[in-house]
Amino acid sequence: AQSVTQLDSQVPVFEEAPVELRCNYSSSVSVYLFWYVQYPNQGLQLLLKYLSGSTLVESINGFEAEFNKSQTSFHLRKPSVHISDTAEYFCAVSGGSQGNLIFGKGTKLSVKP
Amino acid sequence: GAVVSQHPSRVICKSGTSVKIECRSLDFQATTMFWYRQFPKKSLMLMATSNEGSKATYEQGVEKDKFLINHASLTLSTLTVTSAHPEDSSFYICSAGTSGSHTYEQYFGPGTRLTVT
Repeated sequence: AQSVTQLDSQVPVFEEAPVELRCNYSSSVSVYLFWYVQYPNQGLQLLLKYLSGSTLVESINGFEAEFNKSQTSFHLRKPSVHISDTAEYFCAVSGGSQGNLIFGKGTKLSVKP
Repeated sequence: GAVVSQHPSRVICKSGTSVKIECRSLDFQATTMFWYRQFPKKSLMLMATSNEGSKATYEQGVEKDKFLINHASLTLSTLTVTSAHPEDSSFYICSAGTSGSHTYEQYFGPGTRLTVT
């Protein structure tokens, strides 16, 4: 069965610093990988996804993630964060028994001035 | 892009009453809808999967008689929390997917914050 591990529950960083949010998954089959962002009291918004092709995927607001099959990872990175990036980030993998996504526990990114 | 709405966004109810939450796909037909529950500081836990016109499939540990799910049309699924108790207080999120998609892409609603007093 698929599972997702987000090792860091909280990541505090200063504004304009780089950040990496780690995500590892376990799966015996090919997967699709997603990062979702959740702002306070809101639902989930898709940030980026890996389906096939280039292992480096980017979002419109400067985040990127790289699919690494050998390390079963899909870490999320941003070279310079803004205060507005403060949110909770969820990594997810496809392949639930009902076609659902399987989520990690989330990483709360706090960007401080 | 695909939009999913949820109503209400927030609801407060008294213990013992029932609450209905609606999930609508606004610009596409959703053959499958998923209901998740999000606990504080924890991830989203799948509660059940509903397919239009058939009974919902519940995850282990989820009481189907307490959390009634109806997927009456390709654009609407409802979750009814019956005889609500304070421990049912949570953030409920639905998502919708389309058949024939092999990417497992899902579109999430904004969530419903349920508080049972």
